[in-house]
Amino acid sequence: KAGVTQTPRYLIKTRGQQVTLSCSPISGHRSVSWYQQTPGQGLQFLFEYFSETQRNKGNFPGRFSGRQFSNSRSEMNVSTLELGDSALYLCASSLWSGGDTQYFGPGTRLTVL
Amino acid sequence: GNSVTQMEGPVTLSEEAFLTINCTYTATGYPSLFWYVQYPGEGLQLLLKATKADDKGSNKGFEATYRKETTSFHLEKGSVQVSDSAVYFCAPRGRGAQKLVFGQGTRLTINP
Repeated sequence: KAGVTQTPRYLIKTRGQQVTLSCSPISGHRSVSWYQQTPGQGLQFLFEYFSETQRNKGNFPGRFSGRQFSNSRSEMNVSTLELGDSALYLCASSLWSGGDTQYFGPGTRLTVL
Repeated sequence: GNSVTQMEGPVTLSEEAFLTINCTYTATGYPSLFWYVQYPGEGLQLLLKATKADDKGSNKGFEATYRKETTSFHLEKGSVQVSDSAVYFCAPRGRGAQKLVFGQGTRLTINP
């Protein structure tokens, strides 16, 4: 079974632009979570989607948003990019929401100049 | 909310040495406990997990036992290899909760 895939793997943007990242979960998995990883803050939870509904959200500004499609694929969007948004964005999928094992993708490395 | 404290790194060992990376957590109820590993330039890989007290997770020679009485989930390996060099993350996940709470990670370097 194919693992979690994320596209693109690398992205370079400038301040003020917006960006959309994509995540395809493991086949059959219905829950997708997003995490941000930076050297200073470590791994922080952004949000989770299950059955096209946002189930939980971390402490990030409204510039960070996401959605999930009927095939469980998910996208996250960051608008008005800031230098501090430079990070590795990780997507994780699980069979269902709450208590199940999460499997991570390789991540998208976003650099904001 | 849940929180986790990991042994600070970096940790440097020689090949075939014994490894312990300490992890303690605070959580309400009975969380599931996970160890993830991150190799350079990659995402997180699930290393092992335990879902109830006294469970032992194991994989690739690594082991960790769910100790409810000490709220710990220490990672151990009897003989490390150079290929084990990576960053290791301990993470509890509460029952019915959607998110993993990660420790700061422990960077492990194994010298030949």
